[in-house]
Amino acid sequence: DAKTTQPTSMDCAEGRAANLPCNHSTISGNEYVYWYRQIHSQGPQYIIHGLKNNETNEMASLIITEDRKSSTLILPHATLRDTAVYYCIVISNFGNEKLTFGTGTRLTIIP
Amino acid sequence: DTGVSQNPRHKITKRGQNVTFRCDPISEHNRLYWYRQTLGQGPEFLTYFQNEAQLEKSRLLSDRFSAERPKGSFSTLEIQRTEQGDSAMYLCASSLPGKKLVSPLHFGNGTRLTVT
Repeated sequence: DAKTTQPTSMDCAEGRAANLPCNHSTISGNEYVYWYRQIHSQGPQYIIHGLKNNETNEMASLIITEDRKSSTLILPHATLRDTAVYYCIVISNFGNEKLTFGTGTRLTIIP
Repeated sequence: DTGVSQNPRHKITKRGQNVTFRCDPISEHNRLYWYRQTLGQGPEFLTYFQNEAQLEKSRLLSDRFSAERPKGSFSTLEIQRTEQGDSAMYLCASSLPGKKLVSPLHFGNGTRLTVT
């Protein structure tokens, strides 16, 4: 049972902002939105998470809509090293749930 | 580097052989996860430990698979009588969950298993 829907692939020009959408229309009140990415031949890497407020860290920004049914991960100045598969995951905050990955969005940064 | 370490990085084995993988989590992380990933798919949960206790196992984890974390530190994943369908990347992750918040998982770079 897929909790999130993401586009299969996206391209972005190097130096531009990459905006990766995610739909999670069935999200419940105690569920967070987490983003991970997986660069080729590496394990997934945590990027950012949020509940209802927008969040920003050194890697990215996370914009969550007011109804929390969708979110957007923003990489402000994409570089070639940002080429990866990006996973949007919804998970409860009770602390005993495992991450369930979908197939994610394959982001390709174009020189 | 004090990240999650997995060994070996690659393993090629013949069908029917047994294989064992090791995962060393980040020290003081009390939760350890095993995932499996096949080409073009996201990682699939296999099992996880809280300290030395194995708390959950996926139905993907057939009776040929066994995972241990004897002292609550490193973990091993053994596959007996390997089949070609076991060919995949096996990922280990660790975390230090807080009381109220799911803690981000820190993944290793995996062990790629090829069964010939």
